[in-house]
Amino acid sequence: EPEVTQTPSHQVTQMGQEVILRCVPISNHLYFYWYRQILGQKVEFLVSFYNNEISEKSEIFDDQFSVERPDGSNFTLKIRSTKLEDSAMYFCASSAGGRETQYFGPGTRLLVL
Amino acid sequence: DQQVKQNSPSLSVQEGRISILNCDYTNSMFDYFLWYKKYPAEGPTFLISISSIKDKNEDGRFTVFLNKSAKHLSLHIVPSQPGDSAVYFCAASARWNSGYALNFGKGTSLLVTP
Repeated sequence: EPEVTQTPSHQVTQMGQEVILRCVPISNHLYFYWYRQILGQKVEFLVSFYNNEISEKSEIFDDQFSVERPDGSNFTLKIRSTKLEDSAMYFCASSAGGRETQYFGPGTRLLVL
Repeated sequence: DQQVKQNSPSLSVQEGRISILNCDYTNSMFDYFLWYKKYPAEGPTFLISISSIKDKNEDGRFTVFLNKSAKHLSLHIVPSQPGDSAVYFCAASARWNSGYALNFGKGTSLLVTP
């Protein structure tokens, strides 16, 4: 069964450093998303991406964040200068269509020290 | 602001009995609702969804009921099995939302005991 994959599973970084989280969405999907879950809190929407551009972004997704689909398979989330409060589980998701079910990857646990 | 609320942080049910998980929402523009299950150290796994044009959707042991006037939905699991023990998230999206963002509740931790 096709699934969304994410690398790395864990990432530890120093405050102020750049991190890139990688995702391989399900191959025939056209819509891509990033969400995050801070420990003990709900899953929060960050950004959605379609046709090589951002469809929507939340207030969390400020200038420090960017997304890219550098080739036909990868979808990346970059945090330019990490802060302590960026520590969270980051989930990538994809869907075949805009109102179709979103399928989630296993997540990347980011710890900013 | 909490647009999707799951007011029960935890629920314990005996194997074979019915599990009922509840979810309330405040945004009347929400028209598509989903339930996800999550095990520790894994991503949310899709279970079942319902559109606002329906009031019930069934898939095997899982049934979702939607009461639009009360802005309430519930997930019924019958019969409950120990493997159902996980955190269950309710999520909602709105048609006007071009980015199809899902708004999640905080989750309910279900424990099914043998």
